[in-house]
Amino acid sequence: GAVVSQHPSWVICKSGTSVKIECRSLDFQATTMFWYRQFPKQSLMLMATSNEGSKATYEQGVEKDKFLINHASLTLSTLTVTSAHPEDSSFYICSATPNQGQPQHFGDGTRLSIL
Amino acid sequence: DAKTTQPPSMDCAEGRAANLPCNHSTISGNEYVYWYRQIHSQGPQYIIHGLKNNETNEMASLIITEDRKSSTLILPHATLRDTAVYYCIVRAWMNTGFQKLVFGTGTRLLVSP
Repeated sequence: GAVVSQHPSWVICKSGTSVKIECRSLDFQATTMFWYRQFPKQSLMLMATSNEGSKATYEQGVEKDKFLINHASLTLSTLTVTSAHPEDSSFYICSATPNQGQPQHFGDGTRLSIL
Repeated sequence: DAKTTQPPSMDCAEGRAANLPCNHSTISGNEYVYWYRQIHSQGPQYIIHGLKNNETNEMASLIITEDRKSSTLILPHATLRDTAVYYCIVRAWMNTGFQKLVFGTGTRLLVSP
């Protein structure tokens, strides 16, 4: 089946640091990937749609300059949390699908803790 | 996007069938019903999806009412490893056709020995 991998699985860093999270489709190409954020005991909230070769589409209320998305190849999208602060601490999850007719497959998430 | 309503929590005894309901009364004719689950601290896992007909796979069965306003996910023999949050999602179509999934609050299923 389609496999989506995220790296790192968890990261702890100081306030003000920028953190990059990678999302890879391991056995298929993905022109579109999705980034979600999940706070403790809450549901997943879609942050943005990552489009290969073009700009990402951000959901309302998500700061595009804060959460930089780059989808430079058909198997890799990156999310960079710039100048991270404690309130950015969360569980970040990506998803992708081989084609429009198939279900989304999710990575195992990245737990980000900002001290 | 059609919204879904699920009970916040359910309990099930190990070995018994778990029946998880979902209401989606505003679903459109071309929208599918998807079910995912999320085990603690992991990414969501796809379970099953359907449009009109009942569906079954190795994980579960999906029963959709004739008017498509509600559905039920059935785990025929629940195990402790089925303890998770189950999300019923009606798929929103994007211009590109790729799925934009909008997650509700889901149902927290607790399977007990």
